[in-house]
Formats: sequence, C-alpha cells, structure tokens
Amino acid sequence: KQEVTQIPAALSVPEGENLVLNCSFTDSAIYNLQWFRQDPGKGLTSLLLIQSSQREQTSGRLNASLDKSSGRSTLYIAASQPGDSATYLCAVIGGNYGQNFVFGPGTRLSVLP
Amino acid sequence: NAGVTQTPKFRILKIGQSMTLQCTQDMNHNYMYWYRQDPGMGLKLIYYSVGAGITDKGEVPNGYNVSRSTTEDFPLRLELAAPSQTSVYFCASVGTGTYEQYFGPGTRLTVT
Repeated sequence: KQEVTQIPAALSVPEGENLVLNCSFTDSAIYNLQWFRQDPGKGLTSLLLIQSSQREQTSGRLNASLDKSSGRSTLYIAASQPGDSATYLCAVIGGNYGQNFVFGPGTRLSVLP
Repeated sequence: NAGVTQTPKFRILKIGQSMTLQCTQDMNHNYMYWYRQDPGMGLKLIYYSVGAGITDKGEVPNGYNVSRSTTEDFPLRLELAAPSQTSVYFCASVGTGTYEQYFGPGTRLTVT
C-alpha cells in the first residue's frame, strides 16, 4: 500500500528566504506526482504536476523535483513571501490506470513579514 | 470552463437526516473523486469513479453512496447522518492523459 509522508509538518520562515518542502513515498511505481496549495478554509489549488518520466518542473518561483528510485520529491520555493503562507500537499498518482491518488498530510508554511 | 463545481457550500444536518452533495465538472473528465478532510488532517478518499456507470470504494466509504449516470455529475449521498460525518467534502476530477487533479471549492458539513 502506498504511503506518503511530508516533512516538516510545519515551517515558519522570515520573508525572502528560500525553502524546501519534502515529500516521500513508499512505492516507486507511480504515474505522476502533483503538488497542491491549500489556503485556510479553501479548496486545493494545483501548483505543479511532474510526470514519472520527468525529473523536475518549474513555475515562477516554484521548482519541484522527482526522484522515483528513492521515492522522494521536493518543492523549492525561492524568495518566499507572506502570500506563500498556506498548507502544501503532495499527491502520488498510481494504480493500474492512474486512478489512485494518495495524499501526504501536508506541510503548513508561515512566511513572516 | 467552470471547472469543478460543488453545491451546497455549507450545510447543517441533524442526526439521522439524509442529503446529497452535488458535484459537476465541465471538462469531460472520466475520473472523478470524493474526499473528506477533517480539521488538521489530510484527505481521505470516500469513493471514486473511472467513468459513467463505474464507481468504486475508497478508504472510508461507510455511510456514503455514489452514482455516476453521466460523465459530468458525481453526486455523493449521505444516509442517516452521524456526527462523525462532520467534515469538509471535496470533489475532484482528473484530466485524461495528464492525470492532473482538479478540485472543487468544497462543502462544509456539520452534523449535530
């Protein structure tokens, strides 16, 4: 059974810092990995999707990497801003038809002005 | 495209009442999902569907039922509501070929 963990559970940094969020999974037979952002009381917003054949994806100040063999993904946020404060979740996509999504518990990020 | 829409946004139920949470997507996605998210917790899969007429149980299906008569709609039915079903419910759909998941805004349900 696929299990997904995220470290750290919570992180507080001053504005302007670069930071890394970690996502680990136990079964490397995955289709894709997706990073989401969730603001308090809101739904999930997709940030980046990394297909299993890719090593990384970039969008603005965000860069996500994927190492299937070691069961790890990282989300790098450059020059953090208070508006980046949210919970960040990763989801691993597997199953026979890519129908299984297993979510990590999330990392709660606070960026202090 | 409206994406994934959910109704209602909020609902308060009394114990033993029933209700249906509506979910609609206009992206012609085959895969659709229902999750619940309890405070401070991760997402738990209730049911999912890989196409019209096909549904399957997730991790926490007890107390819920689903149907998928069309590609667009995937309603979630709560029978005999219990306080343990107090949660935020999210519907999602997945892009064909990309496997990218898109979420609705959620329904906040309280059972008292």
